[in-house]
Amino acid sequence: KNQVEQSPQSLIILEGKNCTLQCNYTVSPFSNLRWYKQDTGRGPVSLTIMTFSENTKSNGRYTATLDADTKQSSLHITASQLSDSASYICVVSAHSTGTGTYKYIFGTGTRLKVLA
Amino acid sequence: DAGVTQSPTHLIKTRGQQVTLRCSPKSGHDTVSWYQQALGQGPQFIFQYYEEEERQRGNFPDRFSGHQFPNYSSELNVNALLLGDSALYLCASSLGPRSNQPQHFGDGTRLSIL
Repeated sequence: KNQVEQSPQSLIILEGKNCTLQCNYTVSPFSNLRWYKQDTGRGPVSLTIMTFSENTKSNGRYTATLDADTKQSSLHITASQLSDSASYICVVSAHSTGTGTYKYIFGTGTRLKVLA
Repeated sequence: DAGVTQSPTHLIKTRGQQVTLRCSPKSGHDTVSWYQQALGQGPQFIFQYYEEEERQRGNFPDRFSGHQFPNYSSELNVNALLLGDSALYLCASSLGPRSNQPQHFGDGTRLSIL
């Protein structure tokens, strides 16, 4: 069964600290993995997209890693800011070569709270 | 450059009613996907429209249907509403139906069923 699991469910850190969010997946055949940031009451915003051959991708203070062998990804946030408080969602896409279609499997997200 | 716009922002219906939600994609995008997000959960894929046809569908009953217009805008229709249909409905647009294209999400329609 295709699944995406994220940990921790929630996290509280102090402003200026770093943190790492985890995503484990059992999705096949793998196409790509994305991290989204979702502010409360808003739609998700894409942070990174990684294909099978990419193992690191950065977007400002956000750095995502991908280990396709162990089927794990992480999102590292450096020097956190109050505006980083949000849910972070991991999404894995599976491609069916037979039908040519894609499936998007979302994790339930990690809720990050940054305190002053 | 307008991003993805959804209407209405909030909606209250009762069980058994029907609802239509609307989405205008980001300028230049031709593919629209719809998602259902229950409180505290990740979005669940409903279906995707490209070239005015449903290209793929998630695990949702036939009560959920959609349409895409020649200007690429889209509607999501839900019939015979159930209490469990209460959720945030998100629309995402992209250029082409390939999954490696970045999706841009709207801020959603919050649907409450009484």
